[in-house]
Amino acid sequence: GEDVEQSLFLSVREGDSSVINCTYTDSSSTYLYWYKQEPGAGLQLLTYIFSNMDMKQDQRLTVLLNKKDKHLSLRIADTQTGDSAIYFCAESLANQAGTALIFGKGTTLSVSS
Amino acid sequence: KAGVTQTPRYLIKTRGQQVTLSCSPISGHRSVSWYQQTPGQGLQFLFEYFSETQRNKGNFPGRFSGRQFSNSRSEMNVSTLELGDSALYLCASSLAETFNEKLFFGSGTQLSVL
Repeated sequence: GEDVEQSLFLSVREGDSSVINCTYTDSSSTYLYWYKQEPGAGLQLLTYIFSNMDMKQDQRLTVLLNKKDKHLSLRIADTQTGDSAIYFCAESLANQAGTALIFGKGTTLSVSS
Repeated sequence: KAGVTQTPRYLIKTRGQQVTLSCSPISGHRSVSWYQQTPGQGLQFLFEYFSETQRNKGNFPGRFSGRQFSNSRSEMNVSTLELGDSALYLCASSLAETFNEKLFFGSGTQLSVL
């Protein structure tokens, strides 16, 4: 079945770049997403990439997609303490009956000053 | 524009009871999805409603059900609660106009089953 895997923890120093990695299994996924969850809050959509793209940049965020290896990464440049949160990778399984997102278990990013 | 609103924010129930959670989507959004979040299983898709019809369903038992009203507001119900149903239940809405389903999530309802 479909599965999305992420490493569980990442610790970086303020000002460094963070790279969060994700692998997925469903090659028919049309869109791949990155969401952020802060304590006590719901999920906030950070960015997404269409499956026929290799890269997407949005301010401090860069998404890289290697469709052959089914590998997705999120790079956060100049990481700040406010970036500390859980980051979820998700794939969209579009079908005629609608869509559902399959999420990874999340990567906890800890940023130290 | 107001975001996705979920009520109540916290809920405590005992085993065997039933519970109803409510979700008001962003104005103009026609699709509402529900997800269960637990530390062990992570985020799991429950079901999606569009135009008052369930059009997608995850792998959960029949104790979990939902509905959507004509104003797109949605409720989910869990009957005969079990301890394992303790979780954060998240609702998400989307325009549902394309395959790029950008979901906007509410803050969730934290359900504790004692």
